[in-house]
Amino acid sequence: KAGVTQTPRYLIKTRGQQVTLSCSPISGHRSVSWYQQTPGQGLQFLFEYFSETQRNKGNFPGRFSGRQFSNSRSEMNVSTLELGDSALYLCASSLDANEQFFGPGTRLTVL
Amino acid sequence: GEDVEQSLFLSVREGDSSVINCTYTDSSSTYLYWYKQEPGAGLQLLTYIFSNMDMKQDQRLTVLLNKKDKHLSLRIADTQTGDSAIYFCAERGGSSGTYKYIFGTGTRLKVLA
Repeated sequence: KAGVTQTPRYLIKTRGQQVTLSCSPISGHRSVSWYQQTPGQGLQFLFEYFSETQRNKGNFPGRFSGRQFSNSRSEMNVSTLELGDSALYLCASSLDANEQFFGPGTRLTVL
Repeated sequence: GEDVEQSLFLSVREGDSSVINCTYTDSSSTYLYWYKQEPGAGLQLLTYIFSNMDMKQDQRLTVLLNKKDKHLSLRIADTQTGDSAIYFCAERGGSSGTYKYIFGTGTRLKVLA
């Protein structure tokens, strides 16, 4: 069974631009969660989608948004990028709430 | 609020046992997890324990949970150089439909040959 895939793996953007990251969960998994990982703040929860609906949300500004499609694939969008948005963005999928399986992440660098 | 704390570094010799510790604050946590992250990679779920258990063993891994002290530990027996990585402890709090995972800062394990 294929694992969680994330595209692109690396991204370089400049301040003020916007970016869209993609996550394909493990087949059959309907829940997709997004996390931001930085050296200073560690792993922080962004949001979770289940059956195309945002079910849970962390404490991030409205510049961070997401959506989930009917095939459970999810996208995350960050608008008006800031230098502090440079991070590893991790996506995790789960079949039930007990186990989360992470993708390799997208490393975003904002210049 | 909820918080999960871990020591930042641990260094052990190959063949020795490693013990990584974690403390958490949310007494309503139902599941506690250990993840491993290697350089440039995502998080790999190693094992997890339900809050009504004291211990779980899975091959070289042993998880001990002291619910009274809100203390979780991961013991890796016969540590190998391939075990060098960052280990994250995480708790799952909240209720159905509003679960939140809180991660610790990670413990960097270095295995010396």
